[in-house]
Amino acid sequence: AQRVTQPEKLLSVFKGAPVELKCNYSYSGSPELFWYVQYSRQRLQLLLRHISRESIKGFTADLNKGETSFHLKKPFAQEEDSAMYYCALSGSSYDKVIFGPGTSLSVIP
Amino acid sequence: GAGVSQSPRYKVAKRGQDVALRCDPISGHVSLFWYQQALGQGPEFLTYFQNEAQLDKSGLPSDRFFAERPEGSVSTLKIQRTQQEDSAVYLCASSLFGVDTEAFFGQGTRLTVV
Repeated sequence: AQRVTQPEKLLSVFKGAPVELKCNYSYSGSPELFWYVQYSRQRLQLLLRHISRESIKGFTADLNKGETSFHLKKPFAQEEDSAMYYCALSGSSYDKVIFGPGTSLSVIP
Repeated sequence: GAGVSQSPRYKVAKRGQDVALRCDPISGHVSLFWYQQALGQGPEFLTYFQNEAQLDKSGLPSDRFFAERPEGSVSTLKIQRTQQEDSAVYLCASSLFGVDTEAFFGQGTRLTVV
């Protein structure tokens, strides 16, 4: 069965400190992985996807198939990074996107 | 419009009442998704349309839930005989085609069943 887990419900870091949001998944094939972000009072939006191999707002995520993980990382957290982050998975281009429970990131000034 | 629009933004329904939630996707977007998000949880998939075809409705929790997209544009999620456990934010998202292209989300409809 497809499943996405995010072990941390809440994560607090100081401004300028590195941040890592953990994501693990279970899927029998080769999934597509995403990170979505929801800032306060804004709608859910795509942050990045693994197939793009891009860095958005300083965030990167590496797909580790051996550990079935897709952790989100940023070397230096900024206050504006405070938001709710959701890891998500899809089986294919024509499949539904399954979301994890989310991690609330708080960056302390 | 500039983005995905959902209406109403808030809905309070008495238990047993029927409700209809509307989603206006971005013009030209082929794919449309509905999600249910309970408090403190991630979005849970409900159903997926490609144009007017409902390709996946495996996430609909019961036969009280029904979704349609008759002309391949606007979609309506209908919940019959609402129950308290239906209280949640209902999110709609659209994408140009499948999940290869970015999915854009609406602001959601917060349904409270009393």
